[in-house]
Amino acid sequence: SSELTQDPAVSVALGQTVRITCQGDSLRSYYASWYQQKPGQAPVLVIYGKNNRPSGIPDRFSGSSSGNTASLTITGAQAEDEADYYCNSRDSSGNHHYVFGTGTKVTVL
Amino acid sequence: QVQLQESGPGLVKPSQTLSLTCTVSGGSISSGGYYWSWIRQHPGKGLEWIGYIYYSGSTYYNPSLKSRVTISVDTSKNQFSLKLSSVTAADTAVYYCARGRRDGYQNWFDPWGQGTLVTVSS
Repeated sequence: SSELTQDPAVSVALGQTVRITCQGDSLRSYYASWYQQKPGQAPVLVIYGKNNRPSGIPDRFSGSSSGNTASLTITGAQAEDEADYYCNSRDSSGNHHYVFGTGTKVTVL
Repeated sequence: QVQLQESGPGLVKPSQTLSLTCTVSGGSISSGGYYWSWIRQHPGKGLEWIGYIYYSGSTYYNPSLKSRVTISVDTSKNQFSLKLSSVTAADTAVYYCARGRRDGYQNWFDPWGQGTLVTVSS
């Protein structure tokens, strides 16, 4: 199986832009999906594929990818964006296996 | 709008089998293209993919759990289930069910159930 590595924590000033990265070999072959998780709640999908947002997700969330790194960008961070964020992708082994990133805690100052 | 809801015992004794059910509402579990999944989260930790089942019955499991995991589907009840055998305290976690989808080089899980905490303790 493969691993997806994220920075443990990042902070951003209210209204500013923050980028969260996810690194792993599988990302050279597959897109990442991104999930937001607030305390005591289930994860919520915010980005999938090249840069797709599910219905109801604000357009300040965007995704990108280059080489072995996928990124989630929050442009104009709001207080309600403070949460844990996880990336996810298919295992690079080619099997029908999936892996989640280690998670990033985003603090909005 | 599809919704998922986990159910099952919140307390399981060591060495026993953990059993959870996920009930799908607002859509048919027999709809093609979806992978009905289980994911868990140890207290204060990250997410771990356990496995999934396709409506046809095909299953795929996390290699680290494969020897202890069984996922099954009951299309008549619009439910799918998780069984994890020989549990230890290390299996204490919040267990989520989720609908997975794969399209070419992209995959995603949406929606998720609210999660259920399972504690392994005597």
